[in-house]
Amino acid sequence: DTAVSQTPKYLVTQMGNDKSIKCEQNLGHDTMYWYKQDSKKFLKIMFSYNNKELIINETVPNRFSPKSPDKAHLNLHINSLELGDSAVYFCASSRTSSGSTFNEQFFGPGTRLTVL
Amino acid sequence: DQQVKQNSPSLSVQEGRISILNCDYTNSMFDYFLWYKKYPAEGPTFLISISSIKDKNEDGRFTVFLNKSAKHLSLHIVPSQPGDSAVYFCAARGDHGSGNTGKLIFGQGTTLQVKP
Repeated sequence: DTAVSQTPKYLVTQMGNDKSIKCEQNLGHDTMYWYKQDSKKFLKIMFSYNNKELIINETVPNRFSPKSPDKAHLNLHINSLELGDSAVYFCASSRTSSGSTFNEQFFGPGTRLTVL
Repeated sequence: DQQVKQNSPSLSVQEGRISILNCDYTNSMFDYFLWYKKYPAEGPTFLISISSIKDKNEDGRFTVFLNKSAKHLSLHIVPSQPGDSAVYFCAARGDHGSGNTGKLIFGQGTTLQVKP
């Protein structure tokens, strides 16, 4: 009955590799997000999709590409991984109401990515 | 340029006493504020929120106060319990120049320890 799930929970890989993180929500929400929590513990938004449409795209390297096959899934693909990509990545989802109001976001458990 | 700041990295209180966590922001366009609680190895969980048109919101042991003129909000937990020990994140949402996209800006978190 997990609300927002992410796989894998841990990911250790070498520099230069390409990897993907998957996210799924079963809350019926129409908006999904990817956040990065860096070594200083700041949680920063990377991307957001509303009804499969990209609505937030922060200053993130082109090596990061989100993919939303449907409203319940938002995957994150990272090409040519670098040491600085090491962080915890959180997926989240929320429901819009009244046309444009975005409600509280529900977070997944996070994926700890370590690039060696 | 950190628009949401939590200047106390940690706070320690005795069980049964009040915990007060503080948060400051710089952008007067923020219209909604949220507090999240995070346990180790888990994602943040929504705790309580407040709209900018209010100055107080209460939910059980948790009360959030908003002082718009000072651009300051605080979370009060009364009485504090050992299970409240976690990292607390303040977040703000609002029009960031591109409409309301639900984008949240987080503070860096305050670690609360409640001692039995």
